[in-house]
Amino acid sequence: GAGVSQSPSNKVTEKGKDVELRCDPISGHTALYWYRQSLGQGLEFLIYFQGNSAPDKSGLPSDRFSAERTGGSVSTLTIQRTQQEDSAVYLCASSPQINSPLHFGNGTRLTVT
Amino acid sequence: DAKTTQPTSMDCAEGRAANLPCNHSTISGNEYVYWYRQIHSQGPQYIIHGLKNNETNEMASLIITEDRKSSTLILPHATLRDTAVYYCIVRVAMGAAGNKLTFGGGTRVLVKP
Repeated sequence: GAGVSQSPSNKVTEKGKDVELRCDPISGHTALYWYRQSLGQGLEFLIYFQGNSAPDKSGLPSDRFSAERTGGSVSTLTIQRTQQEDSAVYLCASSPQINSPLHFGNGTRLTVT
Repeated sequence: DAKTTQPTSMDCAEGRAANLPCNHSTISGNEYVYWYRQIHSQGPQYIIHGLKNNETNEMASLIITEDRKSSTLILPHATLRDTAVYYCIVRVAMGAAGNKLTFGGGTRVLVKP
């Protein structure tokens, strides 16, 4: 079946602009996570959604970052007033329940110039 | 979550078994050992996880020592497509934190013909 889909696959933006990154999780997966991976680094947790519960935003690096998950499915990660240090690969993952292994998308590579 | 230590890199001959070690000497009794891998330009892929007993699936085997302070991921017949960075993670499976995984540097595995 279809895996986690992320769009766009690549995004180049100018410093100061806002960007939206989209994630389509696997159908029926109740948990959705956002991570980012800077060049040559490991993964950094950003935020996760579980069903109708309030999202866990503890990993968001600043208030310029926000995320929504509409209808328990599609999620959008928004970065306002982008900075060069925001350049990274942003990965989305979903799982069928809270403690199941994660299924990752291939990420959106964000470059802030 | 307990800290893990993995070799930075290792080479493996195609067709041979690849044995990837991981030390987690501070692991707690309720923490699982998870393995993921990341092939270049792709999102991480779940491989296997375990608590105490050795585990095997279609991808790999996981051997956990009796004291649970270390484990070994075994790829029984490595192929060129197994070239990737392999991450060993330990975390508590239960609780509201979900899969807030933290991936460290991992082991860069190069399978050579």
